[in-house]
Amino acid sequence: DTGVSQDPRHKITKRGQNVTFRCDPISEHNRLYWYRQTLGQGPEFLTYFQNEAQLEKSRLLSDRFSAERPKGSFSTLEIQRTEQGDSAMYLCASSSRIEQFFGPGTRLTVL
Amino acid sequence: QKEVEQNSGPLSVPEGAIASLNCTYSDRGSQSFFWYRQYSGKSPELIMFIYSNGDKEDGRFTAQLNKASQYVSLLIRDSQPSDSATYLCAVDRGGNQFYFGTGTSLTVIP
Repeated sequence: DTGVSQDPRHKITKRGQNVTFRCDPISEHNRLYWYRQTLGQGPEFLTYFQNEAQLEKSRLLSDRFSAERPKGSFSTLEIQRTEQGDSAMYLCASSSRIEQFFGPGTRLTVL
Repeated sequence: QKEVEQNSGPLSVPEGAIASLNCTYSDRGSQSFFWYRQYSGKSPELIMFIYSNGDKEDGRFTAQLNKASQYVSLLIRDSQPSDSATYLCAVDRGGNQFYFGTGTSLTVIP
């Protein structure tokens, strides 16, 4: 499968715990995006990488969220001290030009 | 005002009919426009995209842009039950992020 992959697909955690998600983009794609989607809403932009550089972060992204993309390959998104409001689908997308291709997402449930 | 607005629906059409989906965008400088399909519980899947210079047809799908009125439409001809999904409109304003609408739910009735 040469598409975008994400791991884990589902994560259940207790409030206050830290969680980390991984995204493996399509191999030749140098651009990588993280989005968050809640029920009934469209994906909401979180952050963007071009190669290993994080070029843009949403103002909505609190300091509990951090993302990395070492060596410009896979990316991780960490949420510290999770809150119930963090429950959502976290989507990763990659692109080489303009169109973005999404991975299957990681569904986070914070109890 | 939201960056991208869509009628949430639901929109119901009979099988074989044309489904028409619309979205409006707020930034007149927006350059590229995308339609994604999202089945329940799945991630968005790109259907097609157009630039600010023209419309596009791909099989049963046609995307049209009205720059003067700042709206984008997606027409689905010969609608099939498998087309039942939520359709997301996204806009690229020329930066590094897409702005998505909330999506329109489409049901194709056999």
